[in-house]
Amino acid sequence: NAGVMQNPRHLVRRRGQEARLRCSPVKGHSHVYWYRQLPEEGLKFMVYLQKENIIDESGMPKERFSAEFPKEGPSILRIQQVVRGDSAAYFCASSLGTGNTEAFFGQGTRLTVV
Amino acid sequence: DAKTTQPNSMESNEEEPVHLPCNHSTISGTDYIHWYRQLPSQGPEYVIHGLTSNVNNRMASLAIAEDRKSSTLILHRATLRDAAVYYCIRVSGTSYGKLTFGQGTILTVHP
Repeated sequence: NAGVMQNPRHLVRRRGQEARLRCSPVKGHSHVYWYRQLPEEGLKFMVYLQKENIIDESGMPKERFSAEFPKEGPSILRIQQVVRGDSAAYFCASSLGTGNTEAFFGQGTRLTVV
Repeated sequence: DAKTTQPNSMESNEEEPVHLPCNHSTISGTDYIHWYRQLPSQGPEYVIHGLTSNVNNRMASLAIAEDRKSSTLILHRATLRDAAVYYCIRVSGTSYGKLTFGQGTILTVHP
């Protein structure tokens, strides 16, 4: 029974490159959430997606960041032209999409921008 | 705005019970109380959640005050593996399960 799978676990990018983070939710879950944890800071909500739709992107930076959850395949968080301030742990979670259900988190992708 | 208040840190000894408090005085009638924990270098892990009644599972118990303005997460016998940051989160029962994390409580367990 696979949980939420994120890859890669660690990603190093040079400034100006693109970073692609992948998340496969728990089987049967169609609700995916991305959170970011900056060094020495708390977890912050970024975006909530259902299959093929972005429902809430209130936590996403306005530029360079995008997310998708296609009909087939994993959810992707894409960061274009990365800067050092993007260095953080990015966590994906999936759930059945209500307040009365638990969210399952992946182990995260730790992005380092050099 | 996490809308919950927790102590910054707590300490416990191994094998002893731990009571982690949380205040949520502005909670609405449809908000669930969720607890998650994050071990070092890992993703958050669900612990327990409830609405009005006390809840028990294999990991912990959740005691919810009658007026629902506070709750307590109870770890019955702390182990070294329970050392983590514990987050108390209000989750709207009418929304889609978005989690707003506060600073949480850093639990230290002494051998």
